[in-house]
Amino acid sequence: QKEVEQDPGPLSVPEGAIVSLNCTYSNSAFQYFMWYRQYSRKGPELLMYTYSSGNKEDGRFTAQVDKSSKYISLFIRDSQPSDSATYLCAMTGSGGSNYKLTFGKGTLLTVNP
Amino acid sequence: DVKVTQSSRYLVKRTGEKVFLECVQDMDHENMFWYRQDPGLGLRLIYFSYDVKMKEKGDIPEGYSVSREKKERFSLILESASTNQTSMYLCASSPIETGYNEQFFGPGTRLTVL
Repeated sequence: QKEVEQDPGPLSVPEGAIVSLNCTYSNSAFQYFMWYRQYSRKGPELLMYTYSSGNKEDGRFTAQVDKSSKYISLFIRDSQPSDSATYLCAMTGSGGSNYKLTFGKGTLLTVNP
Repeated sequence: DVKVTQSSRYLVKRTGEKVFLECVQDMDHENMFWYRQDPGLGLRLIYFSYDVKMKEKGDIPEGYSVSREKKERFSLILESASTNQTSMYLCASSPIETGYNEQFFGPGTRLTVL
């Protein structure tokens, strides 16, 4: 089983839709969870950063972590064409060999005007 | 604003050449990283550094070396480039306060080895 699984998509939605992006993971030592957005031919940019379980909201973006299910989500409300990008989840533990950031392979999202 | 810059956006080299990829960050971050990104394989860590002159191997260090002589600069070296090293190379940095978590990426260098 891979450490982090992320559906590669592609996902295509109309403008204004609510988008749900998800990752599952197998390593119970993961405690820090991140979402990166990567536009075509650019480096990833950090979008959301959460610790342990719970929700975090930032504008139209909400990150959700369920450690009991080993499942994380990113919700985008009122999606815009400018949200079209690849979204990467990333996670890490603390201490020992769990320091390394482990990435999902990314989900390609297209928001159509 | 954190800024991570990479010396080239696009690079074309020949098999067997020695290749230097340079990365500079301006936020006084202690940690710096080199990744490669390939379709279907995602981001893979090559090397990272937590201090000047310190380095640790990542998941795929074979065929690569690194140098960190100054805090702001982290170089990736391909000793003898091969075609399977054609890839997008991404540099990142993070502050010591957040460990390896909040990494800030540069724009990437797309390297083609012929």
